[in-house]
Amino acid sequence: DTGVSQNPRHKITKRGQNVTFRCDPISEHNRLYWYRQTLGQGPEFLTYFQNEAQLEKSRLLSDRFSAERPKGSFSTLEIQRTEQGDSAMYLCASSVLPHDRNIEAFFGQGTRLTVV
Amino acid sequence: ILNVEQSPQSLHVQEGDSTNFTCSFPSSNFYALHWYRWETAKSPEALFVMTLNGDEKKKGRISATLNTKEGYSYLYIKGSQPEDSATYLCAFMRNTDKLIFGTGTRLQVFP
Repeated sequence: DTGVSQNPRHKITKRGQNVTFRCDPISEHNRLYWYRQTLGQGPEFLTYFQNEAQLEKSRLLSDRFSAERPKGSFSTLEIQRTEQGDSAMYLCASSVLPHDRNIEAFFGQGTRLTVV
Repeated sequence: ILNVEQSPQSLHVQEGDSTNFTCSFPSSNFYALHWYRWETAKSPEALFVMTLNGDEKKKGRISATLNTKEGYSYLYIKGSQPEDSATYLCAFMRNTDKLIFGTGTRLQVFP
């Protein structure tokens, strides 16, 4: 296992188009997070899953954003009708269920989205 | 809304200088505090996961302390090197909930 994998690494799309990103977590990790990071800001929470269940979705996230983790393994994040304000780095992270407080999260390299 | 604040936002130091950053977080329902190092074009990488009040952890020239009662953590880098240049992120975890990140401290170390 080589870690958390995100595809594509870069995506340029025209405003109004739909885009989908994929995240493959570390295989035994049952928790998966999505974050968005824009210039000068820290990663902003979008949503997270415990196995296939979506536990929380940020209130800041519009209805154009949807995420799935159908079999509790990989996850997809879809943005419909993209806007220029959606341009950002989208980060995925995974971890085991943190019953042990010392559990860290492992991040992918992110997908950089540019909406033109 | 949980606020995690980091200061300073950016820092420029000379090679060999020691430096420190601050992370402030809510002191209620504390579960864990994470520090990550994020180099350009790479993934954020965990430095420390801190869970106990008074914890102090060290990895090489980097160390961190934790005060859960007052809600802050310090990250120290002794004798900064150019390869330490990165963004340093802290993230707060309440109960077994999601990680909430601060805005980060961008460190640039000049030779």
